[in-house]
Amino acid sequence: DAMVIQNPRYQVTQFGKPVTLSCSQTLNHNVMYWYQQKSSQAPKLLFHYYDKDFNNEADTPDNFQSRRPNTSFCFLDIRSPGLGDAAMYLCATSRMQETQYFGPGTRLLVL
Amino acid sequence: QQQVKQSPQSLIVQKGGISIINCAYENTAFDYFPWYQQFPGKGPALLIAIRPDVSEKKEGRFTISFNKSAKQFSLHIMDSQPGDSATYFCAARGETSGSRLTFGEGTQLTVNP
Repeated sequence: DAMVIQNPRYQVTQFGKPVTLSCSQTLNHNVMYWYQQKSSQAPKLLFHYYDKDFNNEADTPDNFQSRRPNTSFCFLDIRSPGLGDAAMYLCATSRMQETQYFGPGTRLLVL
Repeated sequence: QQQVKQSPQSLIVQKGGISIINCAYENTAFDYFPWYQQFPGKGPALLIAIRPDVSEKKEGRFTISFNKSAKQFSLHIMDSQPGDSATYFCAARGETSGSRLTFGEGTQLTVNP
């Protein structure tokens, strides 16, 4: 089945230790998104790619970076995780201006 | 103007009852309104979506009602089941926002057996 895959599902890191979350898709969608979702809140868009064009949200901290080496893969790098970065990180994909499909998420815990 | 207001924040319904969740928006450029269902520890999944050229869309037990003049839309879950217990997010998207979705705050639905 075509799908959005996120690895790992759970990630524990130490305060200040860089961490990378990955997302892959078999849908061949040209748009990929990274969201942060904290408990009982709506997903908050961090950034997205139209093909290789990177679009950062104005309020996304510099601590968050992203890479998209090809159509299928996208990575979220958190350079120096703080306690406030503990959250669910969701990857989503879509064709341009079409429905977004979400992955299962990666739960990040910062110790 | 980009906000989508969702209510109620939480909802408890008995099995077999009707669950109703409401959303309101300001941006008249929005032209696509999806609802997402999210279970604990999972990503949101598209449930049903509507465009403003129709006033209602039904898929099984789920119906979206859309009122363009009032800039409101709602999700109705008929014959609610305990398995429907989840968090529901309305969202909106418009041409000027590209592919970005603006989410409502979410409604935590509990259906009691």
